[in-house]
Amino acid sequence: DAGVIQSPRHEVTEMGQEVTLRCKPISGHNSLFWYRQTMMRGLELLIYFNNNVPIDDSGMPEDRFSAKMPNASFSTLKIQPSEPRDSAVYFCASSFYQGASGELFFGEGSRLTVL
Amino acid sequence: GEDVEQSLFLSVREGDSSVINCTYTDSSSTYLYWYKQEPGAGLQLLTYIFSNMDMKQDQRLTVLLNKKDKHLSLRIADTQTGDSAIYFCAESRNRDDKIIFGKGTRLHILP
Repeated sequence: DAGVIQSPRHEVTEMGQEVTLRCKPISGHNSLFWYRQTMMRGLELLIYFNNNVPIDDSGMPEDRFSAKMPNASFSTLKIQPSEPRDSAVYFCASSFYQGASGELFFGEGSRLTVL
Repeated sequence: GEDVEQSLFLSVREGDSSVINCTYTDSSSTYLYWYKQEPGAGLQLLTYIFSNMDMKQDQRLTVLLNKKDKHLSLRIADTQTGDSAIYFCAESRNRDDKIIFGKGTRLHILP
């Protein structure tokens, strides 16, 4: 079975440009999470959805960040305009919350570099 | 508030046991997890423990939970070079709730 699929794997852009990261969760999973990983701050939860509805977006840094989940098989994280401090690895993860442990299944990440 | 703390680095000789420690602040934590991240990859669940348990063993892995002190540890017996990775401690209140991660402990294996 395919795992969580993220694209692009790597993105290099210039400050001020719009960045869109994409995620396809595992089929049948009903929760989706966006995390950001940096050396300084570790793994930060940005936002998560249950059944396509945003539940907690308190981790979204500021208005430049937005996330959508138009259907159960697709989510986007958008940064507009991007800044150098947004450089990080962005992970999408999904889970089936009726499962025994609430285990998160992570994608391989999108490494963003903003020059 | 919710917070998970763990040391950032650990070096262990091949064949020895590794013990990675973690503390958390949320007394309502029900699920406690250990995830592993290998270079260039996402995190993968290693094991988890419910808050009403003291210990869980799974092959070379032993998880100990001291709920009173809010302290969680992961012991890896007979550490191998393939165990070199970053290990994340994490907690959540419910299985459909958000999962809060520590910053991760980078385990380095010495020959």
